Amino acid sequence: AQKVTQAQTEISVVEKEDVTLDCVYETRDTTYYLFWYKQPPSGELVFLIRRNSFDEQNEISGRYSWNFQKSTSSFNFTITASQVVDSAVYFCALSEVNTNAGKSTFGDGTTLTVKP
Amino acid sequence: GAGVSQSPSNKVTEKGKDVELRCDPISGHTALYWYRQRLGQGLEFLIYFQGNSAPDKSGLPSDRFSAERTGGSVSTLTIQRTQQEDSAVYLCASSSYLQVASTDTQYFGPGTRLTVL
Repeated sequence: AQKVTQAQTEISVVEKEDVTLDCVYETRDTTYYLFWYKQPPSGELVFLIRRNSFDEQNEISGRYSWNFQKSTSSFNFTITASQVVDSAVYFCALSEVNTNAGKSTFGDGTTLTVKP
Repeated sequence: GAGVSQSPSNKVTEKGKDVELRCDPISGHTALYWYRQRLGQGLEFLIYFQGNSAPDKSGLPSDRFSAERTGGSVSTLTIQRTQQEDSAVYLCASSSYLQVASTDTQYFGPGTRLTVL
């Protein structure tokens, strides 16, 4: 069965600090996709990144970076120089290709609060 | 519009009544998904459509829940004989893909907040 674990329920940082959100997943598939979504207080989920299981290169997009390590089944998300607008709930998700095609499993989310 | 839309945005109903939630996906998106998000929790997969068919209904919580999609576009999630435990935000998402397996990015609607009294 597929499972996504976001062990950090809540994180609070002060503006300009760096913060890493952890994501650990379980899957029997060899082909899968991993996602991160942001859910601001307005409630609408916003796509941040998709990574396929064959591409372990780290990715950087502005202040956001992602570290994918298959050996530890982790897909961690780092925000550099955090800002108040980064305050939101962040979800990590997994989509399998073969055994549960079409079904996405989400973690319980990490609530990030960035204080000025 | 350009994004996924859902209606109503809020629905308050009495226990035992039936409700219908509607989702309009992004034009041209062939895949459509329904999720439930209880207060303070993550997303719970309910069902997804590939075109008008639903290959995987395993996420539906009970036989009181059903969903359909017509014309490869609009989808309706119906909850019969609502219970208080059904209170949640129901999110719809759509994605565009050509293969059986859905691996494309899902774009989410704003959700319908259902409150069962």
